[in-house]
Amino acid sequence: TQLLEQSPQFLSIQEGENLTVYCNSSSVFSSLQWYRQEPGEGPVLLVTVVTGGEVKKLKRLTFQFGDARKDSSLHITAAQPGDTGLYLCAASEYGNKLVFGAGTILRVKS
Amino acid sequence: EAGVVQSPRYKIIEKKQPVAFWCNPISGHNTLYWYRQNLGQGPELLIRYENEEAVDDSQLPKDRFSAERLKGVDSTLKIQPAELGDSAVYLCASSLAGARSERGAFFGQGTRLTVV
Repeated sequence: TQLLEQSPQFLSIQEGENLTVYCNSSSVFSSLQWYRQEPGEGPVLLVTVVTGGEVKKLKRLTFQFGDARKDSSLHITAAQPGDTGLYLCAASEYGNKLVFGAGTILRVKS
Repeated sequence: EAGVVQSPRYKIIEKKQPVAFWCNPISGHNTLYWYRQNLGQGPELLIRYENEEAVDDSQLPKDRFSAERLKGVDSTLKIQPAELGDSAVYLCASSLAGARSERGAFFGQGTRLTVV
């Protein structure tokens, strides 16, 4: 059973479109992280959200942590081909154990 | 600052053969993780070290997988004997103050294992 459920699994859009990726769980987390992974590379941290209801912005990316700290979303405005990659959410169950969702594969076509 | 270094980058072996992966974490990082990742999927945790102690190895198939982190720095992950289903990318990651810290975990480029 996946602790973190991500949706959609795959997203193919045109350059300039907006999109939202979701990360849901029945568990409450003290923090949640989003990573981006390109082919042949390891995941790279984009952001950590800690407070329920928190919203963080990173250029065209907007991250939100749900009020109950069980879910999160990643919104990309005006997607570009360089945004193509695997987007992963991750959370710590207890201690320093870091578990990942199955990921969302994003492809942005020019 | 050097990142997490893994070697080799690629490995092709025949089934039933042994294989080993090596990881050098970022200097000063106490926590070290080994993950396995299948194509298009999220990483699955195999084992986590705090310094030289394996504190979470519940997902490690102990009949064929073993790991060590001597002196709390470098780590080695071994598979013996390898099976076809072990083909995957093996990722090593490290973190300073725990994964929940704002800086998260830093990953190496991974070792892509193909078992034929």
